Amino acid sequence: NAGVTQTPKFQVLKTGQSMTLQCAQDMNHNSMYWYRQDPGMGLRLIYYSASEGTTDKGEVPNGYNVSRLNKREFSLRLESAAPSQTSVYFCASSEALGYGQPQHFGDGTRLSIL
Amino acid sequence: GESVGLHLPTLSVQEGDNSIINCAYSNSASDYFIWYKQESGKGPQFIIDIRSNMDKRQGQRVTVLLNKTVKHLSLQIAATQPGDSAVYFCAETMKTSYDKVIFGPGTSLSVIP
Repeated sequence: NAGVTQTPKFQVLKTGQSMTLQCAQDMNHNSMYWYRQDPGMGLRLIYYSASEGTTDKGEVPNGYNVSRLNKREFSLRLESAAPSQTSVYFCASSEALGYGQPQHFGDGTRLSIL
Repeated sequence: GESVGLHLPTLSVQEGDNSIINCAYSNSASDYFIWYKQESGKGPQFIIDIRSNMDKRQGQRVTVLLNKTVKHLSLQIAATQPGDSAVYFCAETMKTSYDKVIFGPGTSLSVIP
């Protein structure tokens, strides 16, 4: 049982390039999330999807877009990468969006923008 | 754990000893708390959770204590093992805003063999 799978694991981009980070979960979870993790800071929510067909902005959505492709897959797109977007990106999922629902995380995508 | 610039608080523990990791949470309205473990190069892994109607909850080798009066959460790890070396962080959320989970910056636990 793979859980949450993220691809790629590492990526280097030049400023202005675009790319899509992929995430898939096999736990039949309804809710999915994208976070970024920067040194010395807690995880910050970029976007989330409460259920298939819905997406909402989190704490730091600027410069990103998301697509909930189906129940399993939730992608994060950087349209025009900036050095400030250098970070580790984590995808997570939970059974539902709500009280008492721990999130399960992938192993992250380490993204560097030059 | 509290953020100290770019450096995480660090706790060093001898193998076999008990570890206590602390977390001061930010919102008095938070009513659900989770502890995560993050090993180097990996994503956060759920350890244990606790709801605000409880003061203590035990898992396998781990105990979480909640003190709502002072907004403090602690994670106790019994008989700490080298495999426990990781960053541990707490997360808080509340029923009225369940889409918003606040994650702390974490504490780095180093186990000395």
